[in-house]
Formats: sequence, structure tokens, C-alpha cells
Amino acid sequence: GENVEQHPSTLSVQEGDSAVIKCTYSDSASNYFPWYKQELGKRPQLIIDIRSNVGEKKDQRIAVTLNKTAKHFSLHITETQPEDSAVYFCAAFFKGGRRALTFGSGTRLQVQP
Amino acid sequence: DAGVIQSPRHEVTEMGQEVTLRCKPISGHDYLFWYRQTMMRGLELLIYFNNNVPIDDSGMPEDRFSAKMPNASFSTLKIQPSEPRDSAVYFCASSTRTGNGNTIYFGEGSWLTVV
Repeated sequence: GENVEQHPSTLSVQEGDSAVIKCTYSDSASNYFPWYKQELGKRPQLIIDIRSNVGEKKDQRIAVTLNKTAKHFSLHITETQPEDSAVYFCAAFFKGGRRALTFGSGTRLQVQP
Repeated sequence: DAGVIQSPRHEVTEMGQEVTLRCKPISGHDYLFWYRQTMMRGLELLIYFNNNVPIDDSGMPEDRFSAKMPNASFSTLKIQPSEPRDSAVYFCASSTRTGNGNTIYFGEGSWLTVV
């Protein structure tokens, strides 16, 4: 089935440290992997995405890596700041089946000042 | 563009009542999605439309839920009759092509409480 596993469910780091969130997906044909950030009471918003023909993508303090062989991808946030505190969702686009984004269960990141 | 617009933002209703949630997608987007978010189940895809036609409704929990898209700028999600377990945030989202996956843009959500 179309499944995205996300770990950890909660993550607490000190300001300035790095944070890493990992996801695995079930369908090897998946080809699009976005990450969304959701602040309390707000909508999920895209922060970075990667397609299957690329192994890594960076945007300032955030980066995403993709390992197609192992079917996993990760979000890396460096030099974390209190405003990075939010829930982060990974997602995968499954080309078979529903042909839509399936989301992971979310990671609550808390950055301690 | 104003983004995806949803109404109402908050609704409290009594069990058994009909609930109608509304959505206006981003102009030019031909895909529209309805997601439900709860603590227990996370973000679940209920149904999505392409060019106003329902493509996949396998996520609709039961017959009490129905969705329509009468034109390119409007969609509704209806729950009749509502039950307390329907309490959740309902997000509408839209995007352009999804043939190879594409960014979806969420509305602010409709916070539903059924008492």
C-alpha cells in the first residue's frame, strides 16, 4: 500500500544545533518528496521538495537528501532557531494507486533557546 | 493571488446536524484536494478532483461524507449527519498538474467541532 513512515515523532534541540527528520516510503516508483512545516493553528506550508532524479537539495539552512535504493529521505535543519519550532511533515507522491501525496505522521520539533 | 480560501474557519455543531465546508482553489489550479487532520490519524486524503471531476474518493470515511465541485472555482464537503468523531480540521488544497507530483497549497482549514 501507499505508506510513509516518519521518525522521530518529537525532537527537542538546543538553539544552534542541527535537527534531522527521516522518512521512508513503500513504493519504489514514487518520484516527488515535499516537506511541509505547520505552525500551531496554521496551515501546512511547503518548505522544500526534491524529485527522484536528484540526491540532495539545499535552501539556506534546510536541506533534503534522498536515497532511492533504500527508499528513504531526510530533512536537515542547521543552526536551528526558536522560530523553527513547528510540526514537520514529509510526503511522497505515489505514481501508482491514488496518484496523490501521502503524508507522514509528522515530527514536532522544539528548539530550546 | 489570495490563495486557497476556505469557509467557515470554525464551526461548532450538534451531533446529527448537517455540516457544509466550502473551498475556493487558487485560480488556474485544476486539482483540488480535501484532507482531514486529527491527532490520531494525521493528514488523511479524503477525495480529490481534476477539472471538477472526482478522481479518487477512497479516503471518504463513509456515506455520511460527500463532496462536489460544480465548477472550477468552488467545492463543498458535506457531512450529514455529523458525529462527534468527525471533529477535526478539514483542509482544502489545490495544485496544478500532479502527473509527476507537484506542490499542493493548503487553505487555512475549517476547524470542526461536533458536540
